[in-house]
Amino acid sequence: GAGVSQTPSNKVTEKGKYVELRCDPISGHTALYWYRQSLGQGPEFLIYFQGTGAADDSGLPNDRFFAVRPEGSVSTLKIQRTERGDSAVYLCASSRPSGGGNEQFFGPGTRLTVL
Amino acid sequence: GNSVTQMEGPVTLSEEAFLTINCTYTATGYPSLFWYVQYPGEGLQLLLKATKADDKGSNKGFEATYRKETTSFHLEKGSVQVSDSAVYFCALYGSSNTGKLIFGQGTTLQVKP
Repeated sequence: GAGVSQTPSNKVTEKGKYVELRCDPISGHTALYWYRQSLGQGPEFLIYFQGTGAADDSGLPNDRFFAVRPEGSVSTLKIQRTERGDSAVYLCASSRPSGGGNEQFFGPGTRLTVL
Repeated sequence: GNSVTQMEGPVTLSEEAFLTINCTYTATGYPSLFWYVQYPGEGLQLLLKATKADDKGSNKGFEATYRKETTSFHLEKGSVQVSDSAVYFCALYGSSNTGKLIFGQGTTLQVKP
């Protein structure tokens, strides 16, 4: 079956611009996660959705970052006034309702470069 | 707070050598532990997991045992292959049920023929 898909695969933008990154989870997965992975580091948690609502947004670095999941499926991560430090690979994952052993399935990521 | 520490890489081995990648964690309660693998050009994939103390996760010849007394989850494989070359991430899921995985920094494994 189809896995988690993310678009675009690469995004190059200029400092100060607005970007949107899209995630399409596995069908039937109610939990969706966004992570950010900087070069040479492990993924860092940004936000977790259970259905349409953000159950934990404690990882969003500041108010320039925002994510939505209006119909409980596709999610969009939005970054305003991008900065060079936002350059990273943004990963999306989905799972069945979150629990201690539920596997998170990761997408291929969107590589964001802010010039 | 919860955290994961992995041995630094890169780790370079010859084919058929024994592999150990160390992982230790700090967590409250009883976390679940995972190893994820990222092959070149591919996304993160779950390799194995263990959800309670003394559990052993295994897959594709890799094993890791959840040791609560030493707060460790070391990854081992008896005989590595060139195709095992990848970046390996140890991760934990805290018992607070927030949904998030906490990852180590990753260890790059290079296996030479």
